[in-house]
Amino acid sequence: GAVVSQHPSRVICKSGTSVKIECRSLDFQATTMFWYRQFPKQSLMLMATSNEGSKATYEQGVEKDKFLINHASLTLSTLTVTSAHPEDSSFYICSAGVNEQFFGPGTRLTVL
Amino acid sequence: AQSVTQPDIHITVSEGASLELRCNYSYGATPYLFWYVQSPGQGLQLLLKYFSGDTLVQGIKGFEAEFKRSQSSFNLRKPSVHWSDAAEYFCAVGVSNDYKLSFGAGTTVTVRA
Repeated sequence: GAVVSQHPSRVICKSGTSVKIECRSLDFQATTMFWYRQFPKQSLMLMATSNEGSKATYEQGVEKDKFLINHASLTLSTLTVTSAHPEDSSFYICSAGVNEQFFGPGTRLTVL
Repeated sequence: AQSVTQPDIHITVSEGASLELRCNYSYGATPYLFWYVQSPGQGLQLLLKYFSGDTLVQGIKGFEAEFKRSQSSFNLRKPSVHWSDAAEYFCAVGVSNDYKLSFGAGTTVTVRA
Protein backbone atom coordinates (compact mmCIF):
# COMPACT_ATOMS: atom_id res chain seq x y z
CA GLY A 1 0.00 0.00 0.00
CA ALA A 2 0.87 3.67 -0.10
CA VAL A 3 3.18 5.16 2.51
CA VAL A 4 2.62 8.26 4.58
CA SER A 5 5.39 9.58 6.77
CA GLN A 6 5.41 12.09 9.60
CA HIS A 7 8.20 14.11 11.08
CA PRO A 8 9.14 14.37 13.84
CA SER A 9 7.98 11.21 15.55
CA ARG A 10 8.10 12.93 18.91
CA VAL A 11 8.78 16.44 20.07
CA ILE A 12 9.05 18.10 23.46
CA CYS A 13 8.74 21.85 23.66
CA LYS A 14 8.28 24.60 26.19
CA SER A 15 4.97 26.28 26.73
CA GLY A 16 4.51 29.24 24.42
CA THR A 17 6.62 27.96 21.57
CA SER A 18 5.38 26.81 18.17
CA VAL A 19 5.86 23.33 16.76
CA LYS A 20 5.63 22.23 13.14
CA ILE A 21 4.70 18.69 12.18
CA GLU A 22 5.15 17.44 8.63
CA CYS A 23 3.06 14.86 6.83
CA ARG A 24 4.31 13.47 3.53
CA SER A 25 2.84 11.06 1.01
CA LEU A 26 5.90 9.21 -0.21
CA ASP A 27 4.71 7.37 -3.29
CA PHE A 28 1.53 9.10 -4.34
CA GLN A 29 0.11 12.57 -4.71
CA ALA A 30 -2.47 13.75 -2.24
CA THR A 31 -4.66 16.76 -2.94
CA THR A 32 -6.32 16.14 0.38
CA MET A 33 -4.83 15.12 3.68
CA PHE A 34 -6.42 14.83 7.09
CA TRP A 35 -5.13 15.70 10.53
CA TYR A 36 -6.33 13.81 13.59
CA ARG A 37 -5.66 14.17 17.26
CA GLN A 38 -5.63 11.33 19.73
CA PHE A 39 -5.55 11.68 23.50
CA PRO A 40 -4.25 8.78 25.61
CA LYS A 41 -6.58 5.81 25.64
CA GLN A 42 -9.02 7.63 23.38
CA SER A 43 -10.10 7.53 19.78
CA LEU A 44 -8.97 9.69 16.90
CA MET A 45 -10.73 12.98 16.45
CA LEU A 46 -10.61 14.69 13.09
CA MET A 47 -9.17 18.18 13.41
CA ALA A 48 -9.06 19.44 9.85
CA THR A 49 -8.93 18.67 6.18
CA SER A 50 -5.84 19.93 4.43
CA ASN A 51 -6.45 20.96 0.81
CA GLU A 52 -3.58 21.45 -1.61
CA GLY A 53 -3.47 25.01 -2.85
CA SER A 54 -6.34 26.25 -0.74
CA LYS A 55 -7.37 26.86 2.84
CA ALA A 56 -7.81 24.03 5.24
CA THR A 57 -11.26 23.10 6.49
CA TYR A 58 -11.48 22.85 10.26
CA GLU A 59 -13.85 20.75 12.29
CA GLN A 60 -16.13 22.42 14.77
CA GLY A 61 -14.34 23.41 17.92
CA VAL A 62 -10.84 23.38 16.43
CA GLU A 63 -9.11 26.75 16.56
CA LYS A 64 -7.75 27.53 13.11
CA ASP A 65 -5.41 30.20 14.46
CA LYS A 66 -4.02 27.72 16.93
CA PHE A 67 -3.51 24.87 14.50
CA LEU A 68 -2.16 26.29 11.27
CA ILE A 69 -2.26 23.97 8.28
CA ASN A 70 -0.38 24.46 5.07
CA HIS A 71 -0.63 22.13 2.07
CA ALA A 72 1.84 23.70 -0.31
CA SER A 73 2.49 20.68 -2.52
CA LEU A 74 0.80 17.45 -3.54
CA THR A 75 2.99 15.45 -1.19
CA LEU A 76 3.35 17.64 1.88
CA SER A 77 1.04 19.05 4.50
CA THR A 78 2.24 20.75 7.66
CA LEU A 79 0.49 21.32 10.97
CA THR A 80 1.87 24.08 13.15
CA VAL A 81 0.75 24.21 16.75
CA THR A 82 1.19 27.87 17.65
CA SER A 83 1.92 29.06 21.18
CA ALA A 84 1.65 25.52 22.44
CA HIS A 85 0.41 24.84 25.96
CA PRO A 86 0.37 21.65 28.05
CA GLU A 87 -3.22 20.92 27.05
CA ASP A 88 -2.02 20.65 23.43
CA SER A 89 0.06 17.64 24.38
CA SER A 90 -1.30 14.79 22.33
CA PHE A 91 -0.65 12.30 19.55
CA TYR A 92 -1.17 13.88 16.15
CA ILE A 93 -1.77 11.62 13.15
CA CYS A 94 -2.20 12.50 9.50
CA SER A 95 -3.72 10.50 6.71
CA ALA A 96 -3.93 10.67 2.95
CA GLY A 97 -5.43 8.65 0.15
CA VAL A 98 -8.48 8.15 -2.01
CA ASN A 99 -11.24 5.83 -0.75
CA GLU A 100 -8.71 4.16 1.51
CA GLN A 101 -6.85 6.39 3.93
CA PHE A 102 -3.22 5.63 4.70
CA PHE A 103 -2.08 6.84 8.07
CA GLY A 104 1.22 8.25 9.13
CA PRO A 105 2.99 6.81 12.19
CA GLY A 106 1.98 9.78 14.32
CA THR A 107 3.79 12.53 16.21
CA ARG A 108 3.85 12.61 19.99
CA LEU A 109 3.82 16.22 21.17
CA THR A 110 4.65 16.99 24.78
CA VAL A 111 4.41 20.58 25.94
CA LEU A 112 6.12 21.33 29.22
CA ALA B 1 -23.60 12.99 10.54
CA GLN B 2 -22.41 9.46 10.84
CA SER B 3 -21.43 7.93 14.17
CA VAL B 4 -19.70 4.76 15.23
CA THR B 5 -20.17 2.74 18.40
CA GLN B 6 -17.82 0.11 19.70
CA PRO B 7 -19.62 -1.25 22.77
CA ASP B 8 -16.67 -3.14 24.21
CA ILE B 9 -13.93 -1.01 25.72
CA HIS B 10 -11.70 -3.91 26.65
CA ILE B 11 -11.68 -7.58 25.72
CA THR B 12 -9.39 -10.25 27.11
CA VAL B 13 -9.02 -13.45 25.15
CA SER B 14 -6.83 -16.51 25.50
CA GLU B 15 -4.28 -17.23 22.82
CA GLY B 16 -5.80 -19.59 20.28
CA ALA B 17 -9.35 -18.61 21.15
CA SER B 18 -11.69 -16.81 18.80
CA LEU B 19 -12.22 -13.08 18.89
CA GLU B 20 -15.15 -10.91 17.90
CA LEU B 21 -15.20 -7.14 18.13
CA ARG B 22 -18.46 -5.33 17.73
CA CYS B 23 -19.10 -2.20 15.70
CA ASN B 24 -22.37 -0.42 15.06
CA TYR B 25 -22.80 2.64 12.92
CA SER B 26 -25.42 5.25 12.35
CA TYR B 27 -25.77 6.65 8.87
CA GLY B 28 -28.59 7.21 6.42
CA ALA B 29 -27.02 5.43 3.47
CA THR B 30 -24.53 2.61 3.14
CA PRO B 31 -21.24 3.95 4.38
CA TYR B 32 -17.72 2.87 3.70
CA LEU B 33 -16.62 0.75 6.66
CA PHE B 34 -13.14 0.11 7.95
CA TRP B 35 -11.31 -1.70 10.71
CA TYR B 36 -7.92 -0.44 11.80
CA VAL B 37 -5.43 -1.77 14.32
CA GLN B 38 -3.06 0.37 16.36
CA SER B 39 -0.14 -0.85 18.41
CA PRO B 40 1.01 1.36 21.31
CA GLY B 41 2.58 4.59 20.11
CA GLN B 42 2.07 3.69 16.48
CA GLY B 43 -0.08 4.81 13.61
CA LEU B 44 -3.03 2.89 12.24
CA GLN B 45 -2.90 -0.12 9.98
CA LEU B 46 -5.87 -1.05 7.83
CA LEU B 47 -7.15 -4.57 8.51
CA LEU B 48 -10.02 -4.57 6.04
CA LYS B 49 -12.65 -2.42 4.40
CA TYR B 50 -16.12 -2.69 2.96
CA PHE B 51 -17.39 -0.53 0.14
CA SER B 52 -19.95 -2.74 -1.58
CA GLY B 53 -20.55 -6.29 -2.80
CA ASP B 54 -19.92 -9.39 -0.72
CA THR B 55 -20.85 -8.60 2.84
CA LEU B 56 -18.19 -10.91 4.27
CA VAL B 57 -14.85 -9.23 3.90
CA GLN B 58 -11.48 -10.87 4.32
CA GLY B 59 -8.59 -8.85 5.62
CA ILE B 60 -4.99 -9.18 6.62
CA LYS B 61 -3.64 -11.18 9.55
CA GLY B 62 -6.51 -13.66 9.37
CA PHE B 63 -9.24 -11.14 10.21
CA GLU B 64 -12.65 -10.98 8.61
CA ALA B 65 -15.69 -8.78 9.07
CA GLU B 66 -19.32 -9.06 8.11
CA PHE B 67 -21.50 -6.16 7.08
CA LYS B 68 -25.10 -6.56 8.24
CA ARG B 69 -27.26 -3.79 6.93
CA SER B 70 -30.30 -4.79 8.99
CA GLN B 71 -28.29 -4.46 12.19
CA SER B 72 -26.11 -1.55 11.07
CA SER B 73 -23.16 -3.59 12.18
CA PHE B 74 -19.70 -4.43 10.92
CA ASN B 75 -18.23 -6.88 13.43
CA LEU B 76 -14.64 -8.03 13.22
CA ARG B 77 -13.68 -11.64 13.83
CA LYS B 78 -10.65 -13.84 14.01
CA PRO B 79 -10.92 -17.61 14.53
CA SER B 80 -7.71 -18.02 16.54
CA VAL B 81 -5.86 -15.10 18.08
CA HIS B 82 -2.13 -14.84 18.48
CA TRP B 83 -0.29 -12.94 21.21
CA SER B 84 0.72 -10.39 18.55
CA ASP B 85 -2.94 -9.46 18.08
CA ALA B 86 -2.91 -7.58 21.36
CA ALA B 87 -3.56 -3.99 20.33
CA GLU B 88 -6.21 -1.30 20.01
CA TYR B 89 -8.82 -1.84 17.33
CA PHE B 90 -10.83 0.94 15.75
CA CYS B 91 -13.90 0.74 13.58
CA ALA B 92 -14.36 3.69 11.23
CA VAL B 93 -17.01 5.02 8.90
CA GLY B 94 -16.62 7.14 5.81
CA VAL B 95 -18.97 8.44 3.16
CA SER B 96 -18.69 8.06 -0.57
CA ASN B 97 -17.88 11.61 -1.53
CA ASP B 98 -15.89 12.61 1.51
CA TYR B 99 -12.82 10.80 2.65
CA LYS B 100 -13.06 11.96 6.25
CA LEU B 101 -13.44 9.13 8.73
CA SER B 102 -15.40 8.95 11.96
CA PHE B 103 -13.87 6.56 14.43
CA GLY B 104 -15.36 4.51 17.19
CA ALA B 105 -13.93 4.77 20.68
CA GLY B 106 -11.79 1.71 20.15
CA THR B 107 -11.54 -1.71 21.77
CA THR B 108 -8.41 -2.78 23.59
CA VAL B 109 -7.61 -6.44 23.08
CA THR B 110 -5.47 -8.25 25.61
CA VAL B 111 -4.25 -11.75 24.82
CA ARG B 112 -3.38 -14.04 27.69
CA ALA B 113 -1.16 -17.06 27.36
